[in-house]
Amino acid sequence: SAVISQKPSRDICQRGTSLTIQCQVDSQVTMMFWYRQQPGQSLTLIATANQGSEATYESGFVIDKFPISRPNLTFSTLTVSNMSPEDSSIYLCSVAPQGFYGYTFGSGTRLTVV
Amino acid sequence: AQTVTQSQPEMSVQEAETVTLSCTYDTSENNYYLFWYKQPPSRQMILVIRQEAYKQQNATENRFSVNFQKAAKSFSLKISDSQLGDTAMYFCAFYNAGNMLTFGGGTRLMVKP
Repeated sequence: SAVISQKPSRDICQRGTSLTIQCQVDSQVTMMFWYRQQPGQSLTLIATANQGSEATYESGFVIDKFPISRPNLTFSTLTVSNMSPEDSSIYLCSVAPQGFYGYTFGSGTRLTVV
Repeated sequence: AQTVTQSQPEMSVQEAETVTLSCTYDTSENNYYLFWYKQPPSRQMILVIRQEAYKQQNATENRFSVNFQKAAKSFSLKISDSQLGDTAMYFCAFYNAGNMLTFGGGTRLMVKP
């Protein structure tokens, strides 16, 4: 299965600022997925990132708030913009490698906005 | 749209005992995958076991096994010989060819010494 390096692992940020989260995969994958996990909750899909095209956002998530880049088949970033305390969550990236066995997840970024 | 329901928000089990976590789902699809993921306090989502809907045989991975009832749309996880390291959140998840992974609400499992 693929190995994903996600960073930062955690951060504490001031409201109104932005944070960019990076995910690097050790193999080429067509789609990368970004999830948000609010405290004590399950995972919610933010968007799907394809290389060379605009990301596809789920209902309730917009590009201005969560811009995503996908410059190549092994890398993606998610930016959380103009943060408020309500953005305090764990953010995870995920891929479904070829020879599908299951989704692999990054180690997550714990974001606290103060 | 698919939905996944985990009816047990929290469970506990004594070390070395067996515990079963419940999951039901709703779909009109015939071909799909079901998963159980484990999320310890480290936040890492770890794939525990998967089941392909077209396979009648229940999947097993060491101490972990599933009871897959396709007609009833039920997919429970049995953990045998529970260990302290099994303490975690467990998420049931559904996947179909639309490339969407849908999660249940999770079950927090505590293994007591």
